[in-house]
Amino acid sequence: DAMVIQNPRYQVTQFGKPVTLSCSQTLNHNVMYWYQQKSSQAPKLLFHYYDKDFNNEADTPDNFQSRRPNTSFCFLDIRSPGLGDAAMYLCATSRGTGSYEQYFGPGTRLTVT
Amino acid sequence: QKEVEQNSGPLSVPEGAIASLNCTYSDRGSQSFFWYRQYSGKSPELIMSIYSNGDKEDGRFTAQLNKASQYVSLLIRDSQPSDSATYLCAVEPNFGNEKLTFGTGTRLTIIP
Repeated sequence: DAMVIQNPRYQVTQFGKPVTLSCSQTLNHNVMYWYQQKSSQAPKLLFHYYDKDFNNEADTPDNFQSRRPNTSFCFLDIRSPGLGDAAMYLCATSRGTGSYEQYFGPGTRLTVT
Repeated sequence: QKEVEQNSGPLSVPEGAIASLNCTYSDRGSQSFFWYRQYSGKSPELIMSIYSNGDKEDGRFTAQLNKASQYVSLLIRDSQPSDSATYLCAVEPNFGNEKLTFGTGTRLTIIP
């Protein structure tokens, strides 16, 4: 089945220790998104790629970076995680042309100790 | 002013009844509207999309859109305990934007 996959599902990191979360998709969608979601809050868009074009949200901290080496994969790098970065990180994809339905992966729950 | 507003709930509905979830949005130019279901600790799952005024039915789910009044609703008929979840309304703010604005969700509990 075509899908969006995220690894790892759970990640524990120490304060200030860099961490990378990965996302892959078999949907061949043009657009990939990274969201941060904290408890009882709406998903907050961090950035997205339309093909190779990177789009950063204005309020995304510099601590967060992303890479999309090819159509299928996208990575979220958190350079120096703080306690406030503990959250669920969601990857989503959409076809991006004429249909903007977004399909989410299972998410990565990040804990910062 | 929030761009997409939902009543946070909790909304409690007896099993077998109709659950009605509402969402209002501020951008009159919005073109595309989506409902996602999110179980606790899980990721959002797309259940309905609607683009034109009126009703759209899919199984037990009906989405209703009224662009003049800037609201979109989701009706769940014959509610089941498995429908207990948080329902997120998402709006594409303007055509071709490729981004969605999410509401904070309504927590729905179906009472057996």
